[in-house]
This record gives sequence, structure tokens and C-alpha cells, in this order.
Amino acid sequence: GAGVSQTPSNKVTEKGKYVELRCDPISGHTALYWYRQSLGQGPEFLIYFQGTGAADDSGLPNDRFFAVRPEGSVSTLKIQRTERGDSAVYLCASSFGWGMNNEQFFGPGTRLTVL
Amino acid sequence: GESVGLHLPTLSVQEGDNSIINCAYSNSASDYFIWYKQESGKGPQFIIDIRSNMDKRQGQRVTVLLNKTVKHLSLQIAATQPGDSAVYFCAESLEGAGGKLIFGQGTELSVKP
Repeated sequence: GAGVSQTPSNKVTEKGKYVELRCDPISGHTALYWYRQSLGQGPEFLIYFQGTGAADDSGLPNDRFFAVRPEGSVSTLKIQRTERGDSAVYLCASSFGWGMNNEQFFGPGTRLTVL
Repeated sequence: GESVGLHLPTLSVQEGDNSIINCAYSNSASDYFIWYKQESGKGPQFIIDIRSNMDKRQGQRVTVLLNKTVKHLSLQIAATQPGDSAVYFCAESLEGAGGKLIFGQGTELSVKP
């Protein structure tokens, strides 16, 4: 079956521009997570959704970052006024339920490069 | 300026040998721990998990050991194969945190044929 997919796989943008990163979770998965991974480091939590609502957005670094999941399936991570420090791989994961016993399945990530 | 990534700890082993990858976790209240494998260009892949009320769990060719006294987790891979070459991360989670994962620094495992 299809896993978690993320588009685009690579995104190059200029400082100050707006970008949207898309995540298609596994069908039927109610929980969706966004992480950011910088070179040589482990993923860092950004936000997670239970259905349509953001249950915990404590990892979003500032108000330039925003994520939505309007129909409880696809999610979009939006970054305004991008900065060079936003360059990283943005990972999405989904799980059947939420909570620590539910395995998270990760997508391949979107590599964002801000010039 | 250009950012420079951290150099990951590296473990180099011979094919067929056993590998032990270590991790120090941060929160003594964490309830659940997971090991992930990440190959180049891919997302992390679940390997094995363990709850805080256990100190050992075995899977196929892998064993995870948990020492809560010193907040230490280890992953043992038996008969390491070239396909095991990847970066390995430990992650921790808290009951009630909705599955939010806190990842540790990874270790790069290199298997020589």
C-alpha cells in the first residue's frame, strides 16, 4: 500500500519568499506530525494534528510557520518570509491513532533550501 | 553564511559482527522509547520500541536495552549486514504527549563487507 508522500521532494526558494509543503498521510491515519531535520541532526518536532485540529504546535519556531489540515487528511506546512536558517528537510509522519503506542510512519521529506 | 552540519558519531563494523549503538536520553519521565533507522534520502523507519517498565526487548536480529538509572538506551544488532548501514536515532515520548517524539543525536553505522 501507499506510504506517506510529501511534495515537492525538493524546493529551492529565495530569502523572503513564501513556501508551502504538502503531506499526504496514509489513508485512515488520524494523527499527522511535522518534524524538521537539519543536516547531521535528529528530527525536531514542529506540530501535530488529531484529525483537523492542531493538538500541539509548541515546536513551531515562530509565527512565520503555520500548518493546516482542513479535512483531516492532507496537511500543508506554510512558511512565510523564508530565512536561510529555515533550510532543512521537513518530514511528515502519520499514525493510525495518537499517543505513544501508535507507530509513526514517515514520508521521505521535502528538502527546503533558502538562498 | 553557510551552515555546517554536526558530525555524527560513526560506528564501523565488519559484516557478520554484532553492533551496539548507544543513546543518552534527556527526560527521566519519558515513558516510551523507539529506535529508528534512516537511510540517505529517506525518512526514519521504525525498528523497535520499549516501554519504560521494561529493561529489554528483542526483535528479529535486534535487541533494545533500557537503563533508566542512567537514562541510557542501546540498540544491539546481531550479525550486521551491509543493508544495516544507515543513521540510527533513538527517540523518546511521554504518556499524554500525543505521540510527540523527541529525537536524540544519531549514530552512523557503516558495515564493511
